[in-house]
Amino acid sequence: NAGVTQTPKFRVLKTGQSMTLLCAQDMNHEYMYWYRQDPGMGLRLIHYSVGEGTTAKGEVPDGYNVSRLKKQNFLLGLESAAPSQTSVYFCASSLGRWNTEAFFGQGTRLTVV
Amino acid sequence: TQLLEQSPQFLSIQEGENLTVYCNSSSVFSSLQWYRQEPGEGPVLLVTVVTGGEVKKLKRLTFQFGDARKDSSLHITAAQPGDTGLYLCAGGQGGKLIFGQGTELSVKP
Repeated sequence: NAGVTQTPKFRVLKTGQSMTLLCAQDMNHEYMYWYRQDPGMGLRLIHYSVGEGTTAKGEVPDGYNVSRLKKQNFLLGLESAAPSQTSVYFCASSLGRWNTEAFFGQGTRLTVV
Repeated sequence: TQLLEQSPQFLSIQEGENLTVYCNSSSVFSSLQWYRQEPGEGPVLLVTVVTGGEVKKLKRLTFQFGDARKDSSLHITAAQPGDTGLYLCAGGQGGKLIFGQGTELSVKP
């Protein structure tokens, strides 16, 4: 039982390049989230989805886009990477509105040079 | 402005000491969760508190939800080096799951 799987685990980008981070969950969860984690700032919500085909902005959405075409997958895109987007990115999923206990992936360490 | 404020941000103690971590907000939450994160890993859920005034125990860890459901605390009794890690509180609001800044705990043998 894989739970939440993120790919890739590590990536180095040059400023201006684009990339997509993939998150897949096999628990049939309705809600999915993308966070970034920077030292001393805990986890900050980038975007989230409350169901297939829906997405919404979180606390720090600028510079990122997301899509949830299938219930089990949540994609995070960076169209033009900037050094300020150097961070560790975590994907998570939860059952839904009345149970937000989240299960996390292992994270993606992204460096933008 | 952080919706959930955790304190302290850093805590370094000796094995056997007790400690308390606080999670405060001006907003009411239907529930609050506590997670623990180790280096290189994603956070792992420790507990969820739902009812105002609720107290839950997990071995040497005691979690409390404030009466007004705006704050929570985590108390560790007789801390051990294995308790070292980042402790995060989180609350759900209208589909979002918001986290505090975290408390970095270091327990020295």
